[in-house]
Amino acid sequence: QQQVKQSPQSLIVQKGGISIINCAYENTAFDYFPWYQQFPGKGPALLIAIRPDVSEKKEGRFTISFNKSAKQFSLHIMDSQPGDSATYFCAASPSYSGGGADGLTFGKGTHLIIQP
Amino acid sequence: DAGVIQSPRHEVTEMGQEVTLRCKPISGHDYLFWYRQTMMRGLELLIYFNNNVPIDDSGMPEDRFSAKMPNASFSTLKIQPSEPRDSAVYFCASSSPGRHEQFFGPGTRLTVL
Repeated sequence: QQQVKQSPQSLIVQKGGISIINCAYENTAFDYFPWYQQFPGKGPALLIAIRPDVSEKKEGRFTISFNKSAKQFSLHIMDSQPGDSATYFCAASPSYSGGGADGLTFGKGTHLIIQP
Repeated sequence: DAGVIQSPRHEVTEMGQEVTLRCKPISGHDYLFWYRQTMMRGLELLIYFNNNVPIDDSGMPEDRFSAKMPNASFSTLKIQPSEPRDSAVYFCASSSPGRHEQFFGPGTRLTVL
């Protein structure tokens, strides 16, 4: 059972364009939604994350949009650059009253290519 | 600061052999996670520890897999006996007290022939 569905599997965007990756989740206990970026041969690295008490979070060229009622969230990369070419994973986890981490459930990933 | 350290980076072994993967989390982090990445199944959580105690091992595929964390600075993931379908990249990650962000190591690429 795939609890986090991610689309598209691959995406090609021209330099300067907007890259959009979408995710949907099923488990209503999830309340932490990070996006990870992975380059070939490297481990995933946190890009940006959101909690469900806000509908949008922006950090530089990266924005997460969150729709709690639809159980969907998306990553927007503005002014996409060739250096953004990587695999992007959405993820989700519940959290506990102590605020500590929990295991992440990942989407299947999106292979993003930014063409110069 | 050193990040999460994993060893070996690459492991090639034959079916039936025992394999031990090692992880050193970031100092001061109290959560440690083991994930497996394959093309077919993506990134999957195998097990995680809090303060050296296993919290959730429901992702461990079968009894051939075991994980330990004898102290705050070291964890092992063991596969005995290994099978070709265990071939994957195994990641270790850690997070600090009260924080969600998980820092991933570089991974161990395991090939079982």
